[in-house]
Amino acid sequence: GAVVSQHPSWVICKSGTSVKIECRSLDFQATTMFWYRQFPKQSLMLMATSNEGSKATYEQGVEKDKFLINHASLTLSTLTVTSAHPEDSSFYICSASLTRSTDTQYFGPGTRLTVL
Amino acid sequence: LAKTTQPISMDSYEGQEVNITCSHNNIATNDYITWYQQFPSQGPRFIIQGYKTKVTNEVASLFIPADRKSSTLSLPRVSLSDTAVYYCLVGDKGTNAGKSTFGDGTTLTVKP
Repeated sequence: GAVVSQHPSWVICKSGTSVKIECRSLDFQATTMFWYRQFPKQSLMLMATSNEGSKATYEQGVEKDKFLINHASLTLSTLTVTSAHPEDSSFYICSASLTRSTDTQYFGPGTRLTVL
Repeated sequence: LAKTTQPISMDSYEGQEVNITCSHNNIATNDYITWYQQFPSQGPRFIIQGYKTKVTNEVASLFIPADRKSSTLSLPRVSLSDTAVYYCLVGDKGTNAGKSTFGDGTTLTVKP
């Protein structure tokens, strides 16, 4: 149980284009979903927290107009990287929490974004 | 949010028990301690979670002293496939449930 999927698993795009990444909780309803970014040999950095039906809360330094997050249902959240540039190339990982009480996050497999 | 400190790296050999300790001196009353394992180019995988004393599951044990300012992940009889980065997270509850900060993690290398 508690499976989270991401799509696509990898994407290559040209500079200036937008890319959408989907995160789905397959066998549970996620109260909250999180988006992380991870650069090579570094730890995960939280980008934003999203609750179903409300606006995402972005971490300091993360541009909300560049990284658009939509959490339209309890099983789906999307991250859109708008006008991507090479410095946006990274490993993007989502996670979902079952409940508010135990702080257990279940992570997706990640999406490798390469911007040329 | 509680900050965590772990050793950057550890080496072990197959069949040995490995203990990774995490310090979280400013842990809050409602915080849980969760450990994750991450392989390269994969998302972190949940290993174990606890609040106090000892928790054991089919893959690991988690020891938490009474003051909860540290915790130790114990992996029995490691194998080569346990080579990975291990993160401990300390998370708060309520409206910030799930919002935890990843530290640098511990890179465990298991040798034959």
